[in-house]
Amino acid sequence: DTEVTQTPKHLVMGMTNKKSLKCEQHMGHRAMYWYKQKAKKPPELMFVYSYEKLSINESVPSRFSPECPNSSLLNLHLHALQPEDSALYLCASSQEGHPGNTIYFGEGSWLTVV
Amino acid sequence: SQQGEEDPQALSIQEGENATMNCSYKTSINNLQWYRQNSGRGLVHLILIRSNEREKHSGRLRVTLDTSKKSSSLLITASRAADTASYFCATVVGNTPLVFGKGTRLSVIA
Repeated sequence: DTEVTQTPKHLVMGMTNKKSLKCEQHMGHRAMYWYKQKAKKPPELMFVYSYEKLSINESVPSRFSPECPNSSLLNLHLHALQPEDSALYLCASSQEGHPGNTIYFGEGSWLTVV
Repeated sequence: SQQGEEDPQALSIQEGENATMNCSYKTSINNLQWYRQNSGRGLVHLILIRSNEREKHSGRLRVTLDTSKKSSSLLITASRAADTASYFCATVVGNTPLVFGKGTRLSVIA
């Protein structure tokens, strides 16, 4: 069982909607991540937060806006998305931002943009 | 950009058989990790092998790493139907966390 919790599990939104994906971990990890995964493709890194500060943005379009309110929470705000943004969005965390640490994933949020 | 490349892309075996998946990567790494993903679910961490390690075991899993060939293999012994999933290798390159390969889809037939 994962200790990274993502909500909602499924989200359907229109292209003009504003919605948010939420992620929570209580493992005391100080690094949190957002990955995007299209069907039958590997996960692709979007953002990394280390000690609540954005440390990596993999050239993600501004219609995706991450937020880290505290060390346990990570949000992904969505606005004016396109149908091609439909995917599984995975949140993950690790003990700290050091790249040698194991990264633990949540179950993901399935996003469908209509 | 993609770092790892798994081989084969798909593998179908009978329950009880061993399954071997290979991963090749392009640049020097800090460590290599293997993950399992059941259909439509999150990724489950299986094992991490550091660049100075050559072999690691965890239960029915055996991972090898050959840094000279830039390759790793994952062996699952005595496979079970529950092992049916996609398996990804992922590497840590410099300060960039986890770049995943394309994955191997394993089907274990009961």
